Amino acid sequence: TQLLEQSPQFLSIQEGENLTVYCNSSSVFSSLQWYRQEPGEGPVLLVTVVTGGEVKKLKRLTFQFGDARKDSSLHITAAQPGDTGLYLCAGIYFGNEKLTFGTGTRLTIIP
Amino acid sequence: DADVTQTPRNRITKTGKRIMLECSQTKGHDRMYWYRQDPGLGLRLIYYSFDVKDINKGEISDGYSVSRQAQAKFSLSLESAIPNQTALYFCATSAPGRKYGYTFGSGTRLTVV
Repeated sequence: TQLLEQSPQFLSIQEGENLTVYCNSSSVFSSLQWYRQEPGEGPVLLVTVVTGGEVKKLKRLTFQFGDARKDSSLHITAAQPGDTGLYLCAGIYFGNEKLTFGTGTRLTIIP
Repeated sequence: DADVTQTPRNRITKTGKRIMLECSQTKGHDRMYWYRQDPGLGLRLIYYSFDVKDINKGEISDGYSVSRQAQAKFSLSLESAIPNQTALYFCATSAPGRKYGYTFGSGTRLTVV
């Protein structure tokens, strides 16, 4: 079973602070995706990265795919209460066409 | 209308009962999936289908069955529900290829008492 670990599991910070969430695996991904989930709803896709070293930005969110394609990070600048939610990374491993999800990081931004 | 619609949104059922969760999508995609979400365990794949004639088991298929009635419809059944099947269930659809993300429904919260 391929494991996809996220850290931290829980994070609570003040509005305006910066934060980084990590996603790690011992296996190589062909692609990696980040989702955000709010209570009572399904996960919503934020970004897909496919190339080692790739960096994508979505407003105050910056996503980076590791050079070896085994890890990824999500950095949020000047966090806002609207960023509160469960952040999930999910990867497709080579030879496997299905998404494997990490356990998630539950982020709370305190006004 | 939502791209992926799941019914019911909430369901309480008794141990031993048969229950079906339904999913329909308007994205026109061939690929559909059923996931289960439990606190601290993330989303785990139950079954998936890459087209109408293709059904595959995921990592936790025991106790579940599925039916792909059409390209747009994929239902999940619990033949004899048990309490440890209490969870949040999500249906999703995707286009083929590693660059494309999944579109999820809003989920069904199932409680087995």
